[in-house]
Amino acid sequence: NAGVMQNPRHLVRRRGQEARLRCSPMKGHSHVYWYRQLPEEGLKFMVYLQKENIIDESGMPKERFSAEFPKEGPSILRIQQVVRGDSAAYFCASSPLGIEQFFGPGTRLTVL
Amino acid sequence: AQKVTQAQTEISVVEKEDVTLDCVYETRDTTYYLFWYKQPPSGELVFLIRRNSFDEQNEISGRYSWNFQKSTSSFNFTITASQVVDSAVYFCALNPIGGETSGSRLTFGEGTQLTVNP
Repeated sequence: NAGVMQNPRHLVRRRGQEARLRCSPMKGHSHVYWYRQLPEEGLKFMVYLQKENIIDESGMPKERFSAEFPKEGPSILRIQQVVRGDSAAYFCASSPLGIEQFFGPGTRLTVL
Repeated sequence: AQKVTQAQTEISVVEKEDVTLDCVYETRDTTYYLFWYKQPPSGELVFLIRRNSFDEQNEISGRYSWNFQKSTSSFNFTITASQVVDSAVYFCALNPIGGETSGSRLTFGEGTQLTVNP
């Protein structure tokens, strides 16, 4: 059973561009979570999704950020018009029952 | 609301020393899970342990041990006979059970950077 997959592992964008981060949960896991880790900080919750539904997006910035987890395919975290402050590591986690969360390797976003 | 505090930002020890990483949490939920994760220099998050609030038994796994004390809201992590490969950032985290945010977010502490010197 493959672990949580995230791609790309590293992403470089210029200010104003869009960033799309993908997360494929472990097989059989229907709960997906996104966390952001700013440099030298801990992980902060962003959003919790189940298939086709956003359950809790209280940690998402109000503008420019969106997430989806379609019926088919990976979960996508989308950041529009990126700014330098968006540079961070973005981790996805999946869970079968919403308790123990298994983390992917992260996507490191650098905004130039 | 939940809060996890890891007061030790950085710890430096010499190989073979024992080291304890502190974790104190706040929650209004009566039932919850506590976790420890390791983040080595490569950046991934490695799950170490999950403990639920019903079970206050201490746990030992090889050189790792965990001391959960509900009375003081602490979940401390001890590495015995530390090794250079233990150098990493260690995160403590909390997830409530059955509350409004059950099944939802993990609340992480800010992490403790452990450096084990040869």
